[in-house]
Amino acid sequence: DGGITQSPKYLFRKEGQNVTLSCEQNLNHDAMYWYRQDPGQGLRLIYYSQIVNDFQKGDIAEGYSVSREKKESFPLTVTSAQKNPTAFYLCASSTGTDNQPQHFGDGTRLSIL
Amino acid sequence: AQSVSQHNHHVILSEAASLELGCNYSYGGTVNLFWYVQYPGQHLQLLLKYFSGDPLVKGIKGFEAEFIKSKFSFNLRKPSVQWSDTAEYFCAVTPPRGGYQKVTFGTGTKLQVIP
Repeated sequence: DGGITQSPKYLFRKEGQNVTLSCEQNLNHDAMYWYRQDPGQGLRLIYYSQIVNDFQKGDIAEGYSVSREKKESFPLTVTSAQKNPTAFYLCASSTGTDNQPQHFGDGTRLSIL
Repeated sequence: AQSVSQHNHHVILSEAASLELGCNYSYGGTVNLFWYVQYPGQHLQLLLKYFSGDPLVKGIKGFEAEFIKSKFSFNLRKPSVQWSDTAEYFCAVTPPRGGYQKVTFGTGTKLQVIP
């Protein structure tokens, strides 16, 4: 079955370290997204990519970086510049065309030690 | 900028009670509207969507939503909830056309159904 795989499920980071969250999709979707989910704040868009080798900042991109070297993969790096990285991170993908909903992965919970 | 408001943050119902979760959006044009559900420990899933046509939309698991353009609302309803409906529900909106569609999510409503 096609879907989105996020790994790891739980991730711990020491302060001052960068950490990379993996997101892979086999849905042949052009567009991919990273969201951050915090209690009471819903989902906030970090970065999105409409096509390979192109990506755009979302609403809360500071302290994060991404790459899109392959259609299937959209890794997110949480850098040491992100002051409050503890959160639940969700990756999503879509065909990118009008009216199509997003498909979500199971998420990665990042905690700071 | 578009925004979505879900005024009910936490709802507790007994089984067989009726459900209505509010969703209001602000956007100056026509929109596409979605409801997503996140069951405990699972990923977000699409519950239903509205693009055009009949404003009463039927989704999976007996859920429905009504788009009322004059009220900028897209409330989610279910006549009789079950314990298995315990989850967090998110309303989302996108503009209808034009390349990348930025999705704006509401803050979510946690539904707890008591057996």
